[in-house]
Amino acid sequence: DAKTTQPTSMDCAEGRAANLPCNHSTISGNEYVYWYRQIHSQGPQYIIHGLKNNETNEMASLIITEDRKSSTLILPHATLRDTAVYYCIVRVGIYGNKLVFGAGTILRVKS
Amino acid sequence: SAVISQKPSRDICQRGTSLTIQCQVDSQVTMMFWYRQQPGQSLTLIATANQGSEATYESGFVIDKFPISRPNLTFSTLTVSNMSPEDSSIYLCSVYRDRGPNEQFFGPGTRLTVL
Repeated sequence: DAKTTQPTSMDCAEGRAANLPCNHSTISGNEYVYWYRQIHSQGPQYIIHGLKNNETNEMASLIITEDRKSSTLILPHATLRDTAVYYCIVRVGIYGNKLVFGAGTILRVKS
Repeated sequence: SAVISQKPSRDICQRGTSLTIQCQVDSQVTMMFWYRQQPGQSLTLIATANQGSEATYESGFVIDKFPISRPNLTFSTLTVSNMSPEDSSIYLCSVYRDRGPNEQFFGPGTRLTVL
């Protein structure tokens, strides 16, 4: 699986959009981009995933560059409860293949 | 989302002893995984628990240290054997549902402290 690079930490003001970048320059054509987050002392939570098109769900939006070498997770209106570690993961296929976690980005939402 | 429970939620153990962690899922799932999260670190995959056959271990993890059972499609156990303080971690069970959205669900974790 391709390696990802994320900033170690980011701050965001409550109510503002949080934009979390991820570099995956060695991504292969059949690898998907997944985002998970881990709120303190809880198991990781799925956020969103995509292959090459931008995706949006009730939690977030995922913007993938045309060359697929980077992506951005957008939390449109960050709240204090969005403070967590956010993991960007690339993985072959969708169903059943294991997730390999990197270091992630610590997002701190501040009032 | 899949409902995953783990027992115990936390434990404090003496070095040299063993602890078995249970993972129960509310529906049958094909894929189950065990992860370890050491203090202040990210998650590391230990193994894939295979129903009816031996678990598939990742590099750096061996069956003698982390034996895994998977007797059916809703239950698995992970044993941490001959524990040392370096085994102090959160151990998490994770599953894929066989139907529904393509996402991997995680249990609440078992927080283990070895003295």
